[in-house]
Amino acid sequence: NAGVMQNPRHLVRRRGQEARLRCSPMKGHSHVYWYRQLPEEGLKFMVYLQKENIIDESGMPKERFSAEFPKEGPSILRIQQVVRGDSAAYFCASSGANEKLFFGSGTQLSVL
Amino acid sequence: GQQLNQSPQSMFIQEGEDVSMNCTSSSIFNTWLWYKQDPGEGPVLLIALYKAGELTSNGRLTAQFGITRKDSFLNISASIPSDVGIYFCAGHGSSNTGKLIFGQGTTLQVKP
Repeated sequence: NAGVMQNPRHLVRRRGQEARLRCSPMKGHSHVYWYRQLPEEGLKFMVYLQKENIIDESGMPKERFSAEFPKEGPSILRIQQVVRGDSAAYFCASSGANEKLFFGSGTQLSVL
Repeated sequence: GQQLNQSPQSMFIQEGEDVSMNCTSSSIFNTWLWYKQDPGEGPVLLIALYKAGELTSNGRLTAQFGITRKDSFLNISASIPSDVGIYFCAGHGSSNTGKLIFGQGTTLQVKP
């Protein structure tokens, strides 16, 4: 019974390129959350999705960032035209109906 | 927005000692969860609390949901070296959108 799977674990991009981060929730979970963590800080909420719907995107930057959770396939967090300030660990979590969030191992994004 | 204040920021203790950390908020939270994060990994759920006054244990860990619903504490008894890591409190606020808000974390170091 696999947990939350994120890939890639590490992603290096040059300024101006696009970054695509993938997340497959735990089996049976239909809620997906994306969080960002800077070094020595807590996790900051970005977006909450259910299948094909964005429920809460109050933590998403207004530009360059988008997220989707299609009917089939993983959830994708997409960052266009990356800048150095986008360098961080991005964590995906999933939950069922009981609101316990289970996290993946994260994607460490480094922007050169 | 809602915030969680976690303390202490860091602790350095001797193996075998008991540890206590807490989380407070100026607003009410409906659930409290405690997570542990190891370097390079995602947070792992330790304890979940759903009712005011609830006291729950998980092995050497004990956590309580404050009566006022504005605070929670986590105790670790008889600490061992593998307890080293960053401990985060998290909670679902009154908006009930599923968004989980995190504290800043408590870094625990255990000296053998």
